[in-house]
Amino acid sequence: QTVVTQEPSFSVSPGGTVTLTCGLSSGSVSTSSYPSWIQQTPGQTPRTLIYSTNIRSSGVPDRFSGSILGNKAALTITGAQADDESDYYCVLSVRSGIWAFGGGTKLTVL
Amino acid sequence: EVQLVESGGGLVQPGGSLRLSCSASGFTLSSYWMHWVRQAPGKGLVWVSRISKDGSDTSHADSVKGRFTISRDNAKNTLYLQMDSLRAEDTAVYYCARFHNFEYFWGQGTLVTVSS
Repeated sequence: QTVVTQEPSFSVSPGGTVTLTCGLSSGSVSTSSYPSWIQQTPGQTPRTLIYSTNIRSSGVPDRFSGSILGNKAALTITGAQADDESDYYCVLSVRSGIWAFGGGTKLTVL
Repeated sequence: EVQLVESGGGLVQPGGSLRLSCSASGFTLSSYWMHWVRQAPGKGLVWVSRISKDGSDTSHADSVKGRFTISRDNAKNTLYLQMDSLRAEDTAVYYCARFHNFEYFWGQGTLVTVSS
């Protein structure tokens, strides 16, 4: 069974840059995995930030960007702000018709 | 305004059944693939199932295959999730999500609790 991997936690200083990654337990992530990035603050509804590798959803600030780095998908936050402190999930197409979320990264801004 | 509203959650005993509904407004449901995603208390998001625009193509996560069935009634602009043989580990908030060009648009979720 393919598992989607993410860093459990990360911290960044206000104004700093952080890159979160999303990989596969076996194989590589590519644009054909159609990676998306989802932000969720505890108690809130999920919000899509990035889809199809690098397309920002409507209303998402341009300090959020998506890419493929090596064999992983990546979410980069440039100029982190206090309200970026959230859980971040990636989701991938892992085989035809089947999708899988990563376990999420808890981002702390301090 | 584009909106997804889930309903049908509640408390059910292990082995029981429940049907969740997701009512769409502000857009035509038949134009979109739809997904269900769940989140156990204090845990991460987990993909559950998805359905094509006309309902002819469905898929489910291994953890729910054979127990859960996704369906839709486009005339009623409503998505469903029939959940049978429920287990304690199915306890979660269930979100429906519109899926267009690989972008998720989320409902607000409905809580399902499986407990005796």
